[in-house]
Amino acid sequence: AQTVTQSQPEMSVQEAETVTLSCTYDTSESNYYLFWYKQPPSRQMILVIRQEAYKQQNATENRFSVNFQKAAKSFSLKISDSQLGDTAMYFCAFMKHNAGNMLTFGGGTRLMVKP
Amino acid sequence: DSGVTQTPKHLITATGQRVTLRCSPRSGDLSVYWYQQSLDQGLQFLIQYYNGEERAKGNILERFSAQQFPDLHSELNLSSLELGDSALYFCASSVGTSGHSYNEQFFGPGTRLTVL
Repeated sequence: AQTVTQSQPEMSVQEAETVTLSCTYDTSESNYYLFWYKQPPSRQMILVIRQEAYKQQNATENRFSVNFQKAAKSFSLKISDSQLGDTAMYFCAFMKHNAGNMLTFGGGTRLMVKP
Repeated sequence: DSGVTQTPKHLITATGQRVTLRCSPRSGDLSVYWYQQSLDQGLQFLIQYYNGEERAKGNILERFSAQQFPDLHSELNLSSLELGDSALYFCASSVGTSGHSYNEQFFGPGTRLTVL
């Protein structure tokens, strides 16, 4: 079974600054996907970014980028130029390739962006 | 708006009761997933259906059951409710099941269940 660990329950950052959220995972699979989801106070789950394990290049989506270290089983999320609207819970998630699409989530990191 | 709808938004009930949560997937999506988000267990996968058939099971209690109907909407039935069943229940949908390609899951707004 896969496990996903987010070691930072809460973080804060000043508006316009950069913050990095950590995630580690444990799996014996060689092919899989990793995700970061955002859950704002509205509780809606929003996909922020996706990384395929077979791709060495780190994924980026505008102000969001990841640092994927496959050997270390580490998958951190960097948010640049933080905005007040980035305040939310962030969940790291794992999905095995070719095995049904179910997501395994970490415990979440609560991010507060301060003005 | 993800295109996935869930009803009701909120549900308050008593221990021992039975409730049904409903999910309508995005148009064209064949897979439906149910997840539970609770303070104790975090976010965990419960069950997946694809085109009416059960495809995968996660940490779903025997008191819980689900089905997907011919029109592709899904229902999650929770019975003999306990205080610990209080949680936010999400439904998600995707085009298919993983196969050889990635299928993004789109989440509904959730149903907040409170068991008193």
